[in-house]
Amino acid sequence: QVQLVQSGAEVKKPGASVKVSCKASGYTFNNFAIHWVRQAPGQRLEWMGRLLPFNDYIKYSPKFQDRVTISRDTSATTVYMELSGLKFEDTAVYYCAKDLDLTGDSPLGDWGQGTLVSVSS
Amino acid sequence: SYLLTQPPSVSVAPGKTARISCGGADIGTKTVHWYQQKPGQAPILVISYDRDRPSGIPERFSGSSSGNTATLTISRVEAEDEADYYCQVWDRSSDLRVFGTGTKVFVL
Repeated sequence: QVQLVQSGAEVKKPGASVKVSCKASGYTFNNFAIHWVRQAPGQRLEWMGRLLPFNDYIKYSPKFQDRVTISRDTSATTVYMELSGLKFEDTAVYYCAKDLDLTGDSPLGDWGQGTLVSVSS
Repeated sequence: SYLLTQPPSVSVAPGKTARISCGGADIGTKTVHWYQQKPGQAPILVISYDRDRPSGIPERFSGSSSGNTATLTISRVEAEDEADYYCQVWDRSSDLRVFGTGTKVFVL
């Protein structure tokens, strides 16, 4: 079955960077996009960007365009999300999620367990 | 950027019907997906492509979309349906995924 296993919780200082990993298994890694979605405490889901492994196509939300980098290691079937210039308001749970199918408007059918990133001085 | 607006909360008695709206410009021309999220858990997909139920989702969940509003309907509401619900679309023109503002469903 599909599994997305994320790295553990992080505590960072303002201005630092954080890199969260998402290890995928149970399906053909190259074929399906992986998205990153974050949720600040008590707030809505917020889409950050996606990566399609087979051609390395990446799309970022304009809100995060200047600070986020999504990358992949195909041999490790792992996708990474790095957020730089951390601010207190970046404190959130960060989720990776996989497209359900191969259509352009596929829903997010499988989700990682989430990674809490806390920004604190 | 494309915006999706949901009511902050909906309250419903057990056994009754809950309807959650998702408003967006010409949303009827887009494909809408719905997610359920319980406290401390990752979201799960409950309706895809406006009205399809993924395997394992109860028949009580249904969806529709027309004009400027999409709707998630939960019939014969049960206590376990108390959760946050989010609509989501793909904005084709910008190639961005967009989530709604979210609705908290309270089961009285």
